[in-house]
Amino acid sequence: EAQVTQNPRYLITVTGKKLTVTCSQNMNHEYMSWYRQDPGLGLRQIYYSMNVEVTDKGDVPEGYKVSRKEKRNFPLILESPSPNQTSLYFCASSSGGQGFGRADEKLFFGSGTQLSVL
Amino acid sequence: AQKVTQAQTEISVVEKEDVTLDCVYETRDTTYYLFWYKQPPSGELVFLIRRNSFDEQNEISGRYSWNFQKSTSSFNFTITASQVVDSAVYFCALSDLDYLYNQGGKLIFGQGTELSVKP
Repeated sequence: EAQVTQNPRYLITVTGKKLTVTCSQNMNHEYMSWYRQDPGLGLRQIYYSMNVEVTDKGDVPEGYKVSRKEKRNFPLILESPSPNQTSLYFCASSSGGQGFGRADEKLFFGSGTQLSVL
Repeated sequence: AQKVTQAQTEISVVEKEDVTLDCVYETRDTTYYLFWYKQPPSGELVFLIRRNSFDEQNEISGRYSWNFQKSTSSFNFTITASQVVDSAVYFCALSDLDYLYNQGGKLIFGQGTELSVKP
């Protein structure tokens, strides 16, 4: 089954304690990205990757890091989490530039990670 | 700049009522893609539809229908005979060629509309 897998589903941590949210996709997609969802703001892109070892900032990258060492994995790293990073996080993948040209193509989302930073 | 506006923050209806969720978008591109996603209380994002800018045909899928009007830059979503299971947050989103080819297939999301269907 085609899917994007995020872990953990829920995470409570304290300010300053480094954490990693994992993301893996089994569709051999080139493009992967991270979004955060906040009330009244919808989802906003944090970082994206267009291939292995190619990453770039999205709209709200401050306080986050990512890496893309393998095609299937795209972890989100918070080196020193702060309370304003409390949010619902989604990982997403798609097949790339040709993707949206196909009638059935869309962005595949993981199930989300609810992060609370105390 | 690309933007998606869902002016209705919350809508409450009684079961079996029809309800329309509004979505207005802004983009300079002539080729773009519009999406609707459903987020039930469990939190995951469920893909509902993708519409290409060059296809203005309206679409119906069961009780769901979408009205795409380029003249008013709107992509509205109607649920006919709503049911309690339709209660969710609904997001409208936009992507264009620049986002598609240069920014990892980025979507610009609206703020979301929370629909509550009461029995």
